[in-house]
Amino acid sequence: EIVMTQSPATLSVSPGERATLSCRASQSFSRHLAWYQQKPGQAPRLLIYGISTRATGIPDRFSGSGSGTEFTLTISSLQSEDFAVYYCQQYFNWPLTFGQGTRLEIK
Amino acid sequence: QVQLQESGPGLVKPSQTLSLTCTVSGGSINSGSYFWSWIRQPAGNGLEWIGRVYSNGDTKYNPSVKSRLTISVDTSKNQFSLKLTSVTAADTAVYFCAVSGSLYHFDSWGKGTLVTVSS
Repeated sequence: EIVMTQSPATLSVSPGERATLSCRASQSFSRHLAWYQQKPGQAPRLLIYGISTRATGIPDRFSGSGSGTEFTLTISSLQSEDFAVYYCQQYFNWPLTFGQGTRLEIK
Repeated sequence: QVQLQESGPGLVKPSQTLSLTCTVSGGSINSGSYFWSWIRQPAGNGLEWIGRVYSNGDTKYNPSVKSRLTISVDTSKNQFSLKLTSVTAADTAVYFCAVSGSLYHFDSWGKGTLVTVSS
């Protein structure tokens, strides 16, 4: 099983600033990495797939990058609606696995 | 876009079977383009993919629950279902159904349903 480790667990950032969230995989893979946003009481929403491709309707302030075992989600200028929990997910190997999440909170 | 809705009992007794159904609308479960998954989230915790089914009944399960899990599809009702046997308190979670293409990132999710295992 590929273990996905996200850091930090909680990130405090001011609106308008940049947020950088990290996700590390226990083994290397290419392309098969997605990011989701989850707000309280809601289902996760797909943001990014294939490491860097934005899903339909996702603003371009969200970007993904990385390779091998290290991946990053960057939110370039935080809006109030971006404060949420973010999860990475690998779909390279079975079973599909998620990171434990990063909570992005208002500073 | 495909929409999904979970349904089933919100309370299950320990050692009994947890049964949930996901109803698909806005698309056919039999289209051949999609894979149908169950994902759960214990309160305050992260996400665990537990299994998926294809329209022909082919399944993939997470080893963590494989011995207790059955996922099936009913194409006539445009639904797929989950049965988890011998449940314990550790199975208490919000259960989501979700859809993916052949690349298993989840494009659409149901709203989720809370299942509590308690006597």
